[in-house]
Amino acid sequence: DTGVSQDPRHKITKRGQNVTFRCDPISEHNRLYWYRQTLGQGPEFLTYFQNEAQLEKSRLLSDRFSAERPKGSFSTLEIQRTEQGDSAMYLCASSFWGQDTEAFFGQGTRLTVV
Amino acid sequence: GQSLEQPSEVTAVEGAIVQINCTYQTSGFYGLSWYQQHDGGAPTFLSYNALDGLEETGRFSSFLSRSDSYGYLLLQELQMKDSASYFCAPIRGAGSYQLTFGKGTKLSVIP
Repeated sequence: DTGVSQDPRHKITKRGQNVTFRCDPISEHNRLYWYRQTLGQGPEFLTYFQNEAQLEKSRLLSDRFSAERPKGSFSTLEIQRTEQGDSAMYLCASSFWGQDTEAFFGQGTRLTVV
Repeated sequence: GQSLEQPSEVTAVEGAIVQINCTYQTSGFYGLSWYQQHDGGAPTFLSYNALDGLEETGRFSSFLSRSDSYGYLLLQELQMKDSASYFCAPIRGAGSYQLTFGKGTKLSVIP
């Protein structure tokens, strides 16, 4: 297994544009998490899926943010009408139910909104 | 509410031992994880404590006292490659296993 992969690795977009990121978790992992990390800070929890069900969303996740995991495998995170404050590293992590105390993180997608 | 405290920076000499402390206030506390993150890299799992006491994994050990809401990560025989940020991450809620990260501790290992 190649681990958690995220695409793209970098994204530069103009304010107001929509962006979509993809995360492919480790294949047998049924739990998937999205985090956001800004410089000098730790990752902040955004949302979490168990299989295809989105079970928890952070208050940080405004209406402009939406995440899906339609078949319980890969996930997408879309940000509509991007703002400069959305500039951050978006991290995806996955874990296997029953071994959730160890999450495996992808390399992240670095978003820059100009 | 929730709070998490760990030192922002620590500097230690190669070959030495360093302890990174973590105090937390987490509703629905389930356990305490530790992650390492090199600059520009992804967080990687180091250790997890569900019960009080010491967990040892090679050069790294982690300790938890649930009654004190306190834990620490102990790094022995420091190597230059250990220079990274270290995050204690309380796991909240049996079920979602949501990790809560603080700002982390930036460890610099010097020759």
